[in-house]
Amino acid sequence: AQSVAQPEDQVNVAEGNPLTVKCTYSVSGNPYLFWYVQYPNRGLQFLLKYITGDNLVKGSYGFEAEFNKSQTSFHLKKPSALVSDSALYFCAVRDGGATNKLIFGTGTLLAVQP
Amino acid sequence: EAQVTQNPRYLITVTGKKLTVTCSQNMNHEYMSWYRQDPGLGLRQIYYSMNVEVTDKGDVPEGYKVSRKEKRNFPLILESPSPNQTSLYFCASSPRQGSSYNEQFFGPGTRLTVL
Repeated sequence: AQSVAQPEDQVNVAEGNPLTVKCTYSVSGNPYLFWYVQYPNRGLQFLLKYITGDNLVKGSYGFEAEFNKSQTSFHLKKPSALVSDSALYFCAVRDGGATNKLIFGTGTLLAVQP
Repeated sequence: EAQVTQNPRYLITVTGKKLTVTCSQNMNHEYMSWYRQDPGLGLRQIYYSMNVEVTDKGDVPEGYKVSRKEKRNFPLILESPSPNQTSLYFCASSPRQGSSYNEQFFGPGTRLTVL
């Protein structure tokens, strides 16, 4: 069965420092991987996705993610964190087959301190 | 503006009182889905719909019903809500399932409390 894991419940980083939010996956077949962000009292917003091609995927708000097939990881990164990046981040993998279901990780709360 | 809307955004109700959460999208998407979000569990799919009049169960369908009479609307129905259905609910839509790499667009969420 497809699954994703986000090993960190919370990540703390100082403003201006680089940030990494970790995600590992387990899939059969080709992985379709996504990152979403949830700001307080808001819905999920799409950040970026990996389907095929370059292992470094660029997305919204200066975020990027690195796909590593050998380590089955899809870590979210940003070179310089902003306080406004503080939010809940979800990694997801599309389930194979007909359902188009997204299987989500448990989420990582990113806290950027001024 | 392309969007998914949900109503109500917040709802407090009592056990057993039927309720409906509406979901509407204006992007002409074929695929729509409902998820619930619970702390420590991420989001889990409740029901999904490939197109009009085509619906199917997700991972946690017990206690829920859906319908898809029109392409734009996908209401979630709780016939007899119970406290374990207290959760944050999200509706999502995406273009045709055949394009399997399409991201899903999410509504703003409905926070439901069942007393």
